Amino acid sequence: EIVLTQSPGTLSLSPGERATLSCRASQSVSSSYLAWYQQKPGQAPRLLIYGASSRATGIPDRFSGSGSGTDFTLTISRLEPEDFAVYYCQQYGSSLRLTFGGGTKVEIK
Amino acid sequence: EVQLVESGEGLVQPGGSLRLSCAASGFTFSSYAMHWVRQAPGKGLEYVSAISSNGGSTYYADSVKGRFTISRDNSKNTLYLQMGSLRAEDMAVYYCARSYDYIWVFDIWGQGTMVTVSS
Repeated sequence: EIVLTQSPGTLSLSPGERATLSCRASQSVSSSYLAWYQQKPGQAPRLLIYGASSRATGIPDRFSGSGSGTDFTLTISRLEPEDFAVYYCQQYGSSLRLTFGGGTKVEIK
Repeated sequence: EVQLVESGEGLVQPGGSLRLSCAASGFTFSSYAMHWVRQAPGKGLEYVSAISSNGGSTYYADSVKGRFTISRDNSKNTLYLQMGSLRAEDMAVYYCARSYDYIWVFDIWGQGTMVTVSS
């Protein structure tokens, strides 16, 4: 099973600042199978990025994904008030063993 | 509107059973794989189970294998999760979600339904 480790656990930033979230895999992940989700309290997760760098429908361009192999990054260029939430990465490996990272909480500083 | 709506929320004793449902609307249900993902209170996301678009293939996380059964009725646009031998660690919000058959990225999620396991 591929283990995804997200860091930092919590990111304290102010609106307008840049957020950089990391997702590290225990073994190489095909770029086609790395996604990022946003979850706000009391809500279901929302797909932001798939294929490591493709934005999902309706996602603002301040959200971008990058990376390959074992290291992936989600960047929010300028934080808006509605961006403060928990973010999860997810991979679907070749052995049908889908896993999520533990999450990064982006909170208002 | 594309929508998934879960139901079946409940309180069940350890060792008991419960069936969750997920009603789909606004899209061609039979063209998508469907999944269950859960989230224990205050915790992260945990993948539970998947079923292919035609129902011919299923997958279970090790933590639920042999206790949970996923199924679907494409004529009713509904996904199910039959849960048995429930344990305290199964207590969570259960989300259904859709994906394409061969790319398990979840673009639509339901609002979730709570399963409480307690005596």
